[in-house]
Amino acid sequence: EVQLVESGGGLVQPGGSLRLSCVASGFSLISYSMNWVRQAPGKGLEWVSYISSSGRTIYYADSVKGRFTISRDIAKNSLYLQMNSLRDEDTAVYYCAKEFYGSGTSPWGSWGQGTLVTVSS
Amino acid sequence: IQLTQSPSSLSASVGDRVTITCRASQDISHYLAWCQQKPGKAPKLLIYAASILHGGVPSRFSGSGSGTDFTLTISSLQPEDFATYYCQQLNNYPYTFGQGTKLEIK
Repeated sequence: EVQLVESGGGLVQPGGSLRLSCVASGFSLISYSMNWVRQAPGKGLEWVSYISSSGRTIYYADSVKGRFTISRDIAKNSLYLQMNSLRDEDTAVYYCAKEFYGSGTSPWGSWGQGTLVTVSS
Repeated sequence: IQLTQSPSSLSASVGDRVTITCRASQDISHYLAWCQQKPGKAPKLLIYAASILHGGVPSRFSGSGSGTDFTLTISSLQPEDFATYYCQQLNNYPYTFGQGTKLEIK
């Protein structure tokens, strides 16, 4: 059974940093691309970042480019999101999501439960 | 690519047939998915490739469309269907979402 468990959220001051983790089980990260998606309180879904199954292709939303870094540890089967220079508008629940099948146009079949990041002074 | 969903909210009764539309700002072929989100929960995939039902999703859900215009139809609303629905384009990154349609009980 596929499971994704996020952690690392919390309260951080503007300008601060936080690292989110997503531990995957039931599949290997070397076989599937992964994404981070966020949802601000009471708002819709916003894609944040993508890493391919090979790890060689990475994308970021313009809103986080230069501040956030996606990475993974194959040995730990874990996905990460390093978030620096955090802003109030980064406050959101952050989800990791797994592609359903190994293809560039695959939908996301599995999501974690989310971890809340609050940026506030 | 921008996705525009309509309506933004919808009130309906159990047993009703409802349709939600999603319009893309450019041709995305059939690379569109629909997901359902309930309060405090992660989204769940319902339909992908515009019309393919994800495993375990009840057959009262259906999707159609291609190019720029897509629809999600629920043939007979059940109490557990009251939620927010999002369309998402999978044609190319960034994988954008529609703004969501909140389906409420009348």
